[in-house]
Amino acid sequence: GAGVSQSPSNKVTEKGKDVELRCDPISGHTALYWYRQSLGQGLEFLIYFQGNSAPDKSGLPSDRFSAERTGGSVSTLTIQRTQQEDSAVYLCASSLAVTGDYGYTFGSGTRLTVV
Amino acid sequence: GESVGLHLPTLSVQEGDNSIINCAYSNSASDYFIWYKQESGKGPQFIIDIRSNMDKRQGQRVTVLLNKTVKHLSLQIAATQPGDSAVYFCAENRNYGGGADGLTFGKGTHLIIQP
Repeated sequence: GAGVSQSPSNKVTEKGKDVELRCDPISGHTALYWYRQSLGQGLEFLIYFQGNSAPDKSGLPSDRFSAERTGGSVSTLTIQRTQQEDSAVYLCASSLAVTGDYGYTFGSGTRLTVV
Repeated sequence: GESVGLHLPTLSVQEGDNSIINCAYSNSASDYFIWYKQESGKGPQFIIDIRSNMDKRQGQRVTVLLNKTVKHLSLQIAATQPGDSAVYFCAENRNYGGGADGLTFGKGTHLIIQP
């Protein structure tokens, strides 16, 4: 597509439920990144995919968080047994990931509210 | 902790004045820097970038200055307009290995334009 698409744009869930957030990157972008942004805060790195593999999972805050990417395209971020502190905007970005070209294109994010 | 940070969380300027947003980074090996603008409810958008072999780069109404000696980056916005109100993030390149690179983001500065 023309841009990075994320769905849903908003999600309200009850504490303890599982949620899935979807990211559809720009066609041809091999790298995909997930970030979390709490209210009034910066971008917290979660995970990075190169193709379908995730060489850097260092940012996942706990084992309740997992992500996968299939076909080198769509990625899903799953949060199990959601907690109130998981409430944030989850941003996805993609890039060509060619050395020397670091430009990210971001989606508009999914605003997750855990009640 | 993050290797990129910002000096001021909020900057308020009068419409028509020039704005200067500052950023400090700690990784002396970083060789590429980007400024992003994030408007309310949207994902960050690329503004301007600079490589470490340069100390200044100009765009349309924006200028980025890089001082590698003190590891300092700044974004200057000329004749600020109401549409410049946003959170501004600096970012530096981050090497994931294997030929792929990504970015580390600072916490952001909220620029407020007063009429």
